[in-house]
Amino acid sequence: GAVVSQHPSRVICKSGTSVKIECRSLDFQATTMFWYRQFPKKSLMLMATSNEGSKATYEQGVEKDKFLINHASLTLSTLTVTSAHPEDSSFYICSVRYQETQYFGPGTRLLVL
Amino acid sequence: TQLLEQSPQFLSIQEGENLTVYCNSSSVFSSLQWYRQEPGEGPVLLVTVVTGGEVKKLKRLTFQFGDARKDSSLHITAAQPGDTGLYLCAGAPITGNQFYFGTGTSLTVIP
Repeated sequence: GAVVSQHPSRVICKSGTSVKIECRSLDFQATTMFWYRQFPKKSLMLMATSNEGSKATYEQGVEKDKFLINHASLTLSTLTVTSAHPEDSSFYICSVRYQETQYFGPGTRLLVL
Repeated sequence: TQLLEQSPQFLSIQEGENLTVYCNSSSVFSSLQWYRQEPGEGPVLLVTVVTGGEVKKLKRLTFQFGDARKDSSLHITAAQPGDTGLYLCAGAPITGNQFYFGTGTSLTVIP
């Protein structure tokens, strides 16, 4: 399998500030990473597909200027929530695809006050 | 759009009971995965099924992939409190990198 890490695990910020979340593939090079958002006891909602060296592909309804994704290397993708508001509070999870399976990071809990 | 529908959405049972969770779609998948997720953590892979009709067992958990590779089921025998969590199925399409997740089943096993 693949090992994926995320940092930070939890973050609390004030409304209007920006927050950066890192996703790292620790044991293999990932040309593609995925960013999800999840509400309590609900399934994962795909936000965007992060592509190394090129622009991310965003799902319908996800604001690309609000959720900035950068995939600068084969092991690191970042998600920046810009000008965060309380409605952005959620659980954000990244994943990588290795062969026929997706492997997930431990998630980042964002709370915007 | 949720391509995969799971049922039931919520399930609360007593310890020792059996249960089955279903994951259905009208689309064909090259493979299907089942994950369990606990609050505040990322989903953890339980199994990947690839062949239509395939059955895999993981201790008290039995997974089946439909013959047409459009659906799957997860059966838990003699449920234990440690089985409590959110169960998610996910399908890998024939083409493309993206996985499609099911709607999720929240299971609570009462001691």
